[in-house]
Amino acid sequence: GDSVTQMEGPVTLSEEAFLTINCTYTATGYPSLFWYVQYPGEGLQLLLKATKADDKGSNKGFEATYRKETTSFHLEKGSVQVSDSAVYFCALRSYNNNDMRFGAGTRLTVKP
Amino acid sequence: DGGITQSPKYLFRKEGQNVTLSCEQNLNHDAMYWYRQDPGQGLRLIYYSQIVNDFQKGDIAEGYSVSREKKESFPLTVTSAQKNPTAFYLCASSMSGQAIYGYTFGSGTRLTVV
Repeated sequence: GDSVTQMEGPVTLSEEAFLTINCTYTATGYPSLFWYVQYPGEGLQLLLKATKADDKGSNKGFEATYRKETTSFHLEKGSVQVSDSAVYFCALRSYNNNDMRFGAGTRLTVKP
Repeated sequence: DGGITQSPKYLFRKEGQNVTLSCEQNLNHDAMYWYRQDPGQGLRLIYYSQIVNDFQKGDIAEGYSVSREKKESFPLTVTSAQKNPTAFYLCASSMSGQAIYGYTFGSGTRLTVV
């Protein structure tokens, strides 16, 4: 079945460092791919998405590119801030399946 | 503004008690979902519903029940049969059959057994 694998955390970075959180997927067909962010004590918020190969999703300085050849959707940000500290979830949703599959989440802590 | 509302934000349950968590959306979404999140863990699907008066079990349905009498509402009951109910519960909704759309999540209910 469909599944998502993302890098284990926690990830700790200094402010202004470069961020990469790896995400790979397994799916039949061509899924839509998503990154969600969860701040402490809150629900998940959609951060960005891409719905077809080579699409780049971007929001708030975060980017991720849908790579069909490597089945990946890595999250990147050039310069993280303390306020980016949160848990990040990679997810996919297939066209032949209504369910969304989530990765295990990666906790990011950014230190001043 | 459209959105999805969960209540209460915090809930305390005594041993052997049933409690019901509320989830309401005004996004006109067909599908609604309940997830459980334990500390430091990912999301586990409890129940989902793609249409009024119909719902399916997810991966961890034992000890939980749901109803979907209205499109806007999908309450979750945590029964006394759920032996370890302390967790963070998240409700979500989405357009059914539209994979390009993600899920919209509520802000969650934290349930604690006392």
